[in-house]
Amino acid sequence: GQQVMQIPQYQHVQEGEDFTTYCNSSTTLSNIQWYKQRPGGHPVFLIQLVKSGEVKKQKRLTFQFGEAKKNSSLHITATQTTDVGTYFCAGPDYGQNFVFGPGTRLSALP
Amino acid sequence: NAGVTQTPKFRVLKTGQSMTLLCAQDMNHEYMYWYRQDPGMGLRLIHYSVGEGTTAKGEVPDGYNVSRLKKQNFLLGLESAAPSQTSVYFCASRVGSGELFFGEGSRLTVL
Repeated sequence: GQQVMQIPQYQHVQEGEDFTTYCNSSTTLSNIQWYKQRPGGHPVFLIQLVKSGEVKKQKRLTFQFGEAKKNSSLHITATQTTDVGTYFCAGPDYGQNFVFGPGTRLSALP
Repeated sequence: NAGVTQTPKFRVLKTGQSMTLLCAQDMNHEYMYWYRQDPGMGLRLIHYSVGEGTTAKGEVPDGYNVSRLKKQNFLLGLESAAPSQTSVYFCASRVGSGELFFGEGSRLTVL
């Protein structure tokens, strides 16, 4: 079946450093979504990418969708303590469901 | 506008006991999902529904049953709880191919 992988599993940064997490799918995706989950919270939608090579920005967050639509990345510039949490990517399977990656847990020291 | 509401938020069960988790959404979404989240394993789909009266199995359906008698509600049942079902359960809903809206989660411990 379809698999979605993410690296790294964990990332610890100093506040102000940049952070990147990578998402790879075993199959070509029609779109990809990113979610953030704060510690003790629930996943919250961040963005959806649809087009090959698409790049979208949300303040300090930059999202990319690969040309082959099998990979994606999330880059955070100048990480702040408010960015702490787990970041998940998710891609649709052949039905009505989304397959989630295992997530990248980001921690930061001030 | 409450969004997606899950009850209860916490529950402790003994092995073999049964319980039902309730998910309610007020956004008129067609699709509803139940996920479980375990450390290091992300979100795994248990069961889902594409509309009132329909349900289907996800990735990890064993030991769980679901019902969607009303469009706004999606129930997850454990007939005979096992320690392996200790987890955080999330309900989610969406319309079309859009974003998933998650509830706040239900933390279940089976002793």
